[in-house]
Amino acid sequence: GNSVTQMEGPVTLSEEAFLTINCTYTATGYPSLFWYVQYPGEGLQLLLKATKADDKGSNKGFEATYRKETTSFHLEKGSVQVSDSAVYFCALSDNDYKLSFGAGTTVTVRA
Amino acid sequence: DADVTQTPRNRITKTGKRIMLECSQTKGHDRMYWYRQDPGLGLRLIYYSFDVKDINKGEISDGYSVSRQAQAKFSLSLESAIPNQTALYFCATSDPRRGGTLHFGNGTRLTVT
Repeated sequence: GNSVTQMEGPVTLSEEAFLTINCTYTATGYPSLFWYVQYPGEGLQLLLKATKADDKGSNKGFEATYRKETTSFHLEKGSVQVSDSAVYFCALSDNDYKLSFGAGTTVTVRA
Repeated sequence: DADVTQTPRNRITKTGKRIMLECSQTKGHDRMYWYRQDPGLGLRLIYYSFDVKDINKGEISDGYSVSRQAQAKFSLSLESAIPNQTALYFCATSDPRRGGTLHFGNGTRLTVT
């Protein structure tokens, strides 16, 4: 079945540091890939997505590229801010839009 | 106002009690979902519904039941709560015509003592 493995946290960074969160997946067929973000006390919200190989999703300075050859969808941001402190979830969906989520990575950015 | 509203936000209950978590949405989406979130496990799908007459079990449906009362309402019940059902529960909706992105409520934190 489908599964997502993402790097364990927690991750603590200083402001303006570079952030990478690794995500790899196992799936049959050609899934769509997502990053969701959960701010404290809130539900998850879509950060970015990619629907086919070599697509790059981007939003709010975050980027992730769908790499079919390495079955990866790593999240990156060049310069983080305190407001980026959150839990980040990698996810994939098969054709009927049920999502499989990774365990989540907690990121804390210090001023 | 939130597009996906969950009630209550927090609930403490005792083992063996029946409890219902409610979800309503104003997004007009046909598809609705219930997930639970546990530390280190991410989100796991409990039940999902693609329309009012369509209810499907997810990966962890044992001990739970659902009711889709209307397009906008999808409730989750624990018939006899047990402590390992302590978790954060999320309702979500999606519209496959718009890429299937999930839209989440703010969650219900349930504690079973």
